[in-house]
Amino acid sequence: AQSVTQLGSHVSVSEGALVLLRCNYSSSVPPYLFWYVQYPNQGLQLLLKYTTGATLVKGINGFEAEFKKSETSFHLTKPSAHMSDAAEYFCAVIASGYSTLTFGKGTMLLVSP
Amino acid sequence: EAQVTQNPRYLITVTGKKLTVTCSQNMNHEYMSWYRQDPGLGLRQIYYSMNVEVTDKGDVPEGYKVSRKEKRNFPLILESPSPNQTSLYFCASRANPNTEAFFGQGTRLTVV
Repeated sequence: AQSVTQLGSHVSVSEGALVLLRCNYSSSVPPYLFWYVQYPNQGLQLLLKYTTGATLVKGINGFEAEFKKSETSFHLTKPSAHMSDAAEYFCAVIASGYSTLTFGKGTMLLVSP
Repeated sequence: EAQVTQNPRYLITVTGKKLTVTCSQNMNHEYMSWYRQDPGLGLRQIYYSMNVEVTDKGDVPEGYKVSRKEKRNFPLILESPSPNQTSLYFCASRANPNTEAFFGQGTRLTVV
């Protein structure tokens, strides 16, 4: 079985501050990991993904995430928050060999001026 | 343009009146899924399909039906909707089991 835990349903940062959204996964086999962003009244858009190879993954809009197998984590970071980053972020996992894409419950990022 | 198209975007219906939400993708993807999104619960998979005529239950299949007669289409059917099916629904497609999903714009369903 696979699962995803996102710590913090809401995260608040000031514009220009570091963004850190936490994601831990549970998988009995090597995972494929994803971060998605959802803006109001829109579908989910892929930010970045880890499949194999380099553990530090760069995505769109200046976001990046690091796969840490020993910590079963895939935290999302951005050095400097922008007002336009305010959205809901979802971490998701596929266990290798399985077909189900499992999502965390989401973290709402709030950015204040 | 590669996309997943859902219709309708918004739907208000009454309890017990059958409805269908359509989903179509133009990327020739094998895998298609339906999710529902509820506040505080994230996205939960309703049904998924690995290919034409091959479907399987997800985490919350009760009260829903699907069919996959053509590769590009994956409609979601609510035979007798109830108020607890009021939710935001997303269709998604993937090229293969280990790749990212592409999502439609969502269908906001209200059952009164």
